Amino acid sequence: SYELTQPPSVSVSPWQTASITCSGDKLGDKYAFWYQQRPGQSPVLVIYQDNKRPSGIPERFSGSNSGNTATLTITRTQPMDEADYYCQAWDSNYVVFGGGTKLTV
Amino acid sequence: EVQLVQSGAEVKKPGESLKISCKGSGYSFTNHWIAWVRQMPGKGLEWMGVIYPGDSATTYSPSFQGQVTFSADKSINTAYLHWSSLKASDIAMYFCARQASGGYREFDYWGQGTLVTVSS
Repeated sequence: SYELTQPPSVSVSPWQTASITCSGDKLGDKYAFWYQQRPGQSPVLVIYQDNKRPSGIPERFSGSNSGNTATLTITRTQPMDEADYYCQAWDSNYVVFGGGTKLTV
Repeated sequence: EVQLVQSGAEVKKPGESLKISCKGSGYSFTNHWIAWVRQMPGKGLEWMGVIYPGDSATTYSPSFQGQVTFSADKSINTAYLHWSSLKASDIAMYFCARQASGGYREFDYWGQGTLVTVSS
């Protein structure tokens, strides 16, 4: 079965740039999606179709996807960005989530 | 405004049955797949599968096939997740999520979650 691998944790200082990676076999041939989940809350879509931001998501959030790796980049990271982040892709008609990355600001 | 509102927390005993719900509003409920996602305590997101309320077509994750049942009542814009016999290992938060219809299949709206506790 298809797997997506994320680092368990990433730390960043306020106002710096955070990068969270997601690795999977030929992931660049699929679309990558990213969700933010703050403690005690439901997930929120922050990036779809590799690099598109839903309305209401700050421009500080961006994404890329090439080869075997998708990356979520958060510039000028704020304390409010501290959360778990999950990548997701479709493998045929099945959804795969990465294990999640805890971002500490 | 698109909303998915889930039923409240449940406390059940092992072996009991349970059905939790997810009511959609603010959009055409029958035209969007609804996904169910499990999150065990302190763990990540796990996709359980999807249901299309328009015709109740379903796709189950192999990990959950035979363990749960999805259903929908389009007359009241509600999707359901059903267990016939709960186990302690079913303790988790369960989310429903709307799958966007645009072709990229992202999950653009999520319910608030339903916490299921199973204890004797």
